[in-house]
Amino acid sequence: QKEVEQNSGPLSVPEGAIASLNCTYSDRGSQSFFWYRQYSGKSPELIMFIYSNGDKEDGRFTAQLNKASQYVSLLIRDSQPSDSATYLCAVNTDRGSTLGRLYFGRGTQLTVWP
Amino acid sequence: NAGVTQTPKFQVLKTGQSMTLQCAQDMNHNSMYWYRQDPGMGLRLIYYSASEGTTDKGEVPNGYNVSRLNKREFSLRLESAAPSQTSVYFCASSEMTDNYGYTFGSGTRLTVV
Repeated sequence: QKEVEQNSGPLSVPEGAIASLNCTYSDRGSQSFFWYRQYSGKSPELIMFIYSNGDKEDGRFTAQLNKASQYVSLLIRDSQPSDSATYLCAVNTDRGSTLGRLYFGRGTQLTVWP
Repeated sequence: NAGVTQTPKFQVLKTGQSMTLQCAQDMNHNSMYWYRQDPGMGLRLIYYSASEGTTDKGEVPNGYNVSRLNKREFSLRLESAAPSQTSVYFCASSEMTDNYGYTFGSGTRLTVV
């Protein structure tokens, strides 16, 4: 069983604050890690992916990966009300193949209040 | 560029009825997937297709069948719908050269009464 666990939430932060979303995974051989944003009633959309230990920054978003601790996080700086959504962590455990099955966490609901 | 197109967007079925959910992608991706999303359960993989001509079971395949009709199209069939299959269904596609990031369709909201 490939388990991906996320903060149960909901997480509520004021506008302009840093939102921190966390995710742990069970398969130590996992190769790549993804964060998706899903607005209510919509389909998930990819925000970031990360492969290597350390930080990866894209605008206001920073993904952090620690494979030894089997932990991946997403930081959202200068949070905006438009960031209010459910954030899904996903993990790809397929190794050495062309297939990329993703296993998803249950999501963390983020609310940014003005 | 349409990406991944799913039809229908909404459907109500009676218990025991059958239906096929359609999915087509125009990104020339090899891999396609069907997920269901239930409140509190996250996205769970039903079936996937690594490439044209191949399909395989995911985490929750019971009650479903799939067909990879060609590289573009991947359909999901419910032969005898049950209330437990009430869910939102998402089709997705991915490609190794795109780092496997999924592109999702807009979803099908299915209610079985």
